[in-house]
Amino acid sequence: GENVEQHPSTLSVQEGDSAVIKCTYSDSASNYFPWYKQELGKRPQLIIDIRSNVGEKKDQRIAVTLNKTAKHFSLHITETQPEDSAVYFCAASWGGSQGNLIFGKGTKLSVKP
Amino acid sequence: GAVVSQHPSWVICKSGTSVKIECRSLDFQATTMFWYRQFPKQSLMLMATSNEGSKATYEQGVEKDKFLINHASLTLSTLTVTSAHPEDSSFYICSAKRQGGYYGYTFGSGTRLTVV
Repeated sequence: GENVEQHPSTLSVQEGDSAVIKCTYSDSASNYFPWYKQELGKRPQLIIDIRSNVGEKKDQRIAVTLNKTAKHFSLHITETQPEDSAVYFCAASWGGSQGNLIFGKGTKLSVKP
Repeated sequence: GAVVSQHPSWVICKSGTSVKIECRSLDFQATTMFWYRQFPKQSLMLMATSNEGSKATYEQGVEKDKFLINHASLTLSTLTVTSAHPEDSSFYICSAKRQGGYYGYTFGSGTRLTVV
């Protein structure tokens, strides 16, 4: 089955700096890669996703890049703000109605004012 | 947008009792429901996948007789933790895929289970 590795487990940046979180996946059949932000005790919130036919996607301060050959994808947050502080999870799925979502172990991002 | 309602949001039960958690898709038909468990400061671990009208598929290491999953309709899936023990205390969360949907998962709000 799919295995998703996520690094780093913790990340501390100064407000205004950029943050990068990296993930690798094992199953070449995976074709959907979402990123979630989770506040304590809450459901994961989708912040951006990318499909395997796209190499990069951007939404304001957030971008995701995908390298299918190397089986890795990354989340980039620019101009970080204190409210970006949370736990971020990457995930991978092969899509389809049966495709389950496998999560990485998470990155706790702290943005210091 | 797609909404999945999960109840209860939190529950405290005595060791040895059973607890049922419900997930309802409010405005779409959920062909497939995924159940996750999340321990404090850890990731979401997939427990099982259920399809409407058929038996759930459990991940390795998850006891199917302990975690009973029923997906009786396209809008309702339930997880029953039977004979709960303190080590079952966790955050349980469901995620649904809509009928005909290829991408996109809708999460319930989660259930905090505490077994005393």
